[in-house]
Amino acid sequence: AQSVTQLDSHVSVSEGTPVLLRCNYSSSYSPSLFWYVQHPNKGLQLLLKYTSAATLVKGINGFEAEFKKSETSFHLTKPSAHMSDAAEYFCVVTGHGSGNTGKLIFGQGTTLQVKP
Amino acid sequence: GAGVSQSPSNKVTEKGKDVELRCDPISGHTALYWYRQSLGQGLEFLIYFQGNSAPDKSGLPSDRFSAERTGGSVSTLTIQRTQQEDSAVYLCASSLSDRVAGYTFGSGTRLTVV
Repeated sequence: AQSVTQLDSHVSVSEGTPVLLRCNYSSSYSPSLFWYVQHPNKGLQLLLKYTSAATLVKGINGFEAEFKKSETSFHLTKPSAHMSDAAEYFCVVTGHGSGNTGKLIFGQGTTLQVKP
Repeated sequence: GAGVSQSPSNKVTEKGKDVELRCDPISGHTALYWYRQSLGQGLEFLIYFQGNSAPDKSGLPSDRFSAERTGGSVSTLTIQRTQQEDSAVYLCASSLSDRVAGYTFGSGTRLTVV
């Protein structure tokens, strides 16, 4: 079965400093992995996706993530945080195989706080 | 439409009443999902429709919950005899395929059971 673990429930950074949001996955198959962002009282927005092409994936708003099979990780990074990046971030893996096909499996989420 | 549309955006109902939540997916999207987002619980999968295949109902928490998708487009999630623990934001998402296209989410329906 597929699963995803976000290692930090809360991350706080200062504006202009790097962001690292950690995600580890478990999958018996070649996974498709996503990062979604949810701003307060807004819907979920796709940041980026990994679908077995390039291991370094670039997304919107300067975010990127690197798929590392040996570490089963898909950490989200951004070189310089902006106040507007403050939001909830979800790492997501799609299910594969019998009984699990197509299902999005969400991590518990990481709240990113950006301090001035 | 341009995005996934959900209605109503907010619903307050009395315990024991039935409610219906509606989702209009993006035109042409064959996959449709319902998720529930509760405070402190993260996102919980409820049900998944893919084309004409039988839906994956494995996430429905009880037999009070049901969903249908008419004509491969609009979906309705019905909760019968609502309970206070049903209070949550119910999110709908659609996708061109069931794997790699990425999923577009609606803004959700906030359900409050009083």
